[in-house]
Amino acid sequence: EIVLTQSPATLSLSPGERATLSCGASQSVSSNYLAWYHHKPGLAPRLLIYDTSSRATGIPDRFSGSGSGTHFTLTISRLEPEDFAVYYCQQYGDFPITFGQGTRLEIK
Amino acid sequence: EVQLVQSGAEVKKPGESLKISCKGSGYKFTSYWIGWVRQMPGKGLEWMGIIYPGDSDTRYSPSFQGQVTISADKSISTAYLQWSSLKASDTAMYFCARRADKAMGIYFDYWGQGTLVSVSS
Repeated sequence: EIVLTQSPATLSLSPGERATLSCGASQSVSSNYLAWYHHKPGLAPRLLIYDTSSRATGIPDRFSGSGSGTHFTLTISRLEPEDFAVYYCQQYGDFPITFGQGTRLEIK
Repeated sequence: EVQLVQSGAEVKKPGESLKISCKGSGYKFTSYWIGWVRQMPGKGLEWMGIIYPGDSDTRYSPSFQGQVTISADKSISTAYLQWSSLKASDTAMYFCARRADKAMGIYFDYWGQGTLVSVSS
């Protein structure tokens, strides 16, 4: 199965700053089928990005995804208070689908 | 509004059985796959399996095959995750999630709020 490694484990930034989160795959992700989710403890996770770079319904354009093959990036251009959460990447190009271990984005 | 509402937290002993639920509303339940995802304490997300309520076609992650059973009752728009004999290592938060429409592959556009399962003697 494809192992996804997210970095950094924790990212400390201030509102208004730019965040760059990475997701590395142990082998190439077929068709760049990669998604990103936002999760605040106690709440339901929320889909942000699918197919590497397509924003899900209702997701603001400060969120963008990029990458291909084994390296993918989620960028948040200007952090809002509600953006501080845990972010997970997930590949769905290979069975079984797998998730990264998460990046915690915390307020500096 | 699409909603997935999960059953409440459970506290069980090792060896006991358990069935948790996920009720969908706001969409045609029989037309979308429902998956289950585990989050062990302090850990990331793990996909367990998925079911198509329309015909109960079910797929499991190899890691969970034989460990749990996924089912659905389309008459009440509810999916289930069950264990016949719980272990302490089953202690986790469990999420149900709807596979995105027209998705190439399995990713999830709506999630439930999670069900916390605690297993301890």
